[in-house]
Amino acid sequence: EIVLTQSPGTLSLSPGERATLSCRASQSVSSSYLAWYQQKPGQAPRLLIYGASSRATGIPDRFSGSGSGTDFTLTISRLEPEDFAVYYCQQYGSSPPGTFGQGTKVEIK
Amino acid sequence: EVQLVESGGGLVQPGRSLRLSCAASGFTFDDYAMHWVRQAPGKGLEWVSGISWNSGSIGYADSVKGRFTISRDNAKNSLYLQMNSLRAEDTALYYCAKDNGDFYWYFDLWGRGTLVTVSS
Repeated sequence: EIVLTQSPGTLSLSPGERATLSCRASQSVSSSYLAWYQQKPGQAPRLLIYGASSRATGIPDRFSGSGSGTDFTLTISRLEPEDFAVYYCQQYGSSPPGTFGQGTKVEIK
Repeated sequence: EVQLVESGGGLVQPGRSLRLSCAASGFTFDDYAMHWVRQAPGKGLEWVSGISWNSGSIGYADSVKGRFTISRDNAKNSLYLQMNSLRAEDTALYYCAKDNGDFYWYFDLWGRGTLVTVSS
């Protein structure tokens, strides 16, 4: 079973700064089948990125995903106030599919 | 409006049963696989179960296998989760989630969730 480890656990940044979130898999994620979700307090998760680097419908271009194999990154180029949230990665290329990382919280510094 | 609305959660004693429902609207329900994902209080996301568009393929997390049963009624645009032999560790917010296709395995629409609390 693939285990996803996200780092850091918490990222303290100011609006306008760049955020770099890491997701590392215990085994290679086939075909870069990795997604990123954003979850704000009291809300359901929202799909941001799929296929490691493809933005979901309606997602601003300040969000970008990259990586392959075991190392993946979500980058938010310039943090907006509404971007402070918890971010989860999810792999869906290996059995069992649908496993999530433990999350990274992006908080206001 | 494109949305998923869960219902059926509540407080239940250990060992008892509960049935969750998810009503879908605004998209062609029977074009997509559907899933249940849960989130224990203050914790991360855990995939629970998924079902293909025609119910021909079904999967469960090991943690619920043999206790939970997923089903769907395409005529009613509805997804269900029958939960038996509930345990304290099943306490969570249960989300209904739409697959991006037929078991593409990433989820492009989520409901707001229904809370299940298992406690005596």
